[in-house]
Amino acid sequence: QVQLQESGPGLVRPSGTLSLTCAVSGASISDSNWWTWVRQPPGKGLEWIGEIYHNGNTNYSPSLKSRVRISVDESKNQFSLNLTSAIAADTAVYHCVRVDSRGFLADPWGPGTLVIVSS
Amino acid sequence: DIQLTQSPSFLSASIGDTVTITCRANQDIRNYLAWFQQKPGKVPQLLIYAAVTLQAGVPSRFSGSASGSDFTLTISSLQPEDVATYFCQNYDSAPQTFGPGTKVDIK
Repeated sequence: QVQLQESGPGLVRPSGTLSLTCAVSGASISDSNWWTWVRQPPGKGLEWIGEIYHNGNTNYSPSLKSRVRISVDESKNQFSLNLTSAIAADTAVYHCVRVDSRGFLADPWGPGTLVIVSS
Repeated sequence: DIQLTQSPSFLSASIGDTVTITCRANQDIRNYLAWFQQKPGKVPQLLIYAAVTLQAGVPSRFSGSASGSDFTLTISSLQPEDVATYFCQNYDSAPQTFGPGTKVDIK
């Protein structure tokens, strides 16, 4: 079964860069269509951040597009999220998710990692 | 961007009741709609995709329907383990969007 695991700092200073990596096991990152990042602020709803194809093609949320970059490393079978100019509103649990070939977000999601933006 | 609205935002029902949650898109999303269940402290799990297709392993008391840009998630015979927040999600095209969620509780 495909498994995803997020990793990265749990605390980011305001105006700093939030950087996370998603390690993929049980599948080649080159096999599936797209790989996605989704976040959820504490006690709030889900927000789609963006997605990447194994060839590097990306799509981003318009509200984050100026600050976000998603990249892929096929040699390490992982993909990454960078969010610059971090603000308190970026505090959230960040999940990485595989996109099924039929287009929907496939189970299981990564367990998520809480990132707090605070000084 | 495609906007999704959900109603109600919260509902409380008795065990065995039939529960209906509605999700409305402001544009045609060609039935590229999924429903997720998120239990407290857990990761969201896929219930339904393509508006009406039940994900493997999901109990048959869950069902989805579609009429134009209006989508419905129905739980027939509500069970205690169904206490959760339910989100709809559009995956017709990027940027994908989520509905705000409907919290379901037991009366």
